[in-house]
Amino acid sequence: NAGVTQTPKFQVLKTGQSMTLQCAQDMNHNSMYWYRQDPGMGLRLIYYSASEGTTDKGEVPNGYNVSRLNKREFSLRLESAAPSQTSVYFCASRDREGLFFGPGTRLTVL
Amino acid sequence: GDSVTQMEGPVTLSEEAFLTINCTYTATGYPSLFWYVQYPGEGLQLLLKATKADDKGSNKGFEATYRKETTSFHLEKGSVQVSDSAVYFCALHNQGGKLIFGQGTELSVKP
Repeated sequence: NAGVTQTPKFQVLKTGQSMTLQCAQDMNHNSMYWYRQDPGMGLRLIYYSASEGTTDKGEVPNGYNVSRLNKREFSLRLESAAPSQTSVYFCASRDREGLFFGPGTRLTVL
Repeated sequence: GDSVTQMEGPVTLSEEAFLTINCTYTATGYPSLFWYVQYPGEGLQLLLKATKADDKGSNKGFEATYRKETTSFHLEKGSVQVSDSAVYFCALHNQGGKLIFGQGTELSVKP
């Protein structure tokens, strides 16, 4: 099992550009999450999906959209990137034990 | 709203020292409590958990006890190693189904 995979690992964007962060899990989990991690602020939930076909806003959803494409895949889209979205983005899936995290995407917006 | 507060870091210890990282929470009902660890350049990994009051979670020499009366879940280890250097996150899973993280505590262990 690969667990949770994310692509790309690194990305540099210019202000106003768009991009999609990809996430996939092979553990047959229903719930999937997108977090961002910023220094001194811990992890903040952007969006989550409790099951295929449903998505809900988290703590900091502004500027982002998500798609739960199927049970395996949950993508995060930035339509018009801003410097405030410079961060490390983590995707996770959950079972009864807890969350399983991907390795992260380090995004810089210039 | 529900929240998690951790002691501020960085925490710097010598090898074989005793470790305590404090964590307190605010939540309605009976949340599940977790400690996650993040090694440099990696994602978070579940370290241990406790699902009800007085439960003790333990893993890799770390342990934490769910204290309902003090709303705490402090992480302890009797003898830290250099390989324990990482960032540690306390988290709760609330009745609404959300997982809420503390801000993280960086631990640095010197030989």
